[in-house]
Amino acid sequence: DAKTTQPTSMDCAEGRAANLPCNHSTISGNEYVYWYRQIHSQGPQYIIHGLKNNETNEMASLIITEDRKSSTLILPHATLRDTAVYYCIVRGNSGNTPLVFGKGTRLSVIA
Amino acid sequence: DGGITQSPKYLFRKEGQNVTLSCEQNLNHDAMYWYRQDPGQGLRLIYYSQIVNDFQKGDIAEGYSVSREKKESFPLTVTSAQKNPTAFYLCASSQQQGAAQPQHFGDGTRLSIL
Repeated sequence: DAKTTQPTSMDCAEGRAANLPCNHSTISGNEYVYWYRQIHSQGPQYIIHGLKNNETNEMASLIITEDRKSSTLILPHATLRDTAVYYCIVRGNSGNTPLVFGKGTRLSVIA
Repeated sequence: DGGITQSPKYLFRKEGQNVTLSCEQNLNHDAMYWYRQDPGQGLRLIYYSQIVNDFQKGDIAEGYSVSREKKESFPLTVTSAQKNPTAFYLCASSQQQGAAQPQHFGDGTRLSIL
C-alpha cells in the first residue's frame, strides 16, 4: 500500500500558485519524498524529490515540514499544461527500489 | 536523445494469445521496471530487474513473464494466463547505485483484447 495520503482532486486558476499537499506520517529517516505527475495517456514525469530540506528546480518547489510528516509541492505559476495527476511517493534511498503509487491528486488548472 | 522507448504504442491481442511488449533504454541504467495502470488508478508493479539476468516479482506478477538478457532491454510477455490483460503498461528505469535516483518512464503501451 502507498505510504502517502493526498486529496483526490484540486483546482487552480491559471497563473496562480498551485499548492499540492501530501501526508506521509509514517516516513522513516532514510526515506525520500518524490513527486511525479502524469498527463493523460503518457508515462509519469519526474518532478522533484527531497529528504528534509526544501528543494527547488525549474519545475517546482518542495516544502517538507520539520517533522517530515507532510510536504507540499508548489507550482509557482500554474499553466493549463500543468493539468495532470500528481503523485507523492515515499521511497528509500536505494536507487533500484520500486515506486509504490497511490491514486494521486488530479490537478485541474482553469483559465 | 537518451530515454526509454516502449513499442508498440497500441497493441491488440486475441484471447488465448501471448504478446510481448518491448522496452529499451539508452540511459545506461542498471534497474528496469514494469508497471500496469488501470483506468483511474495508480501504477502497480509487475516485475523489476536490478541487474542483467536477474529479476523479481512485483505485486501483480501472475500471468506475466520477463527476461533481462541485455542491460538496455527488458521485454514483458503477457501470457494467456493473464485473465484481464487490458491495461496501460509502463516501463521505467533507474540507476542502481547512488542515493535517491529517480525513475524515468517511457510513454507506455496500451493493450486491448479483441
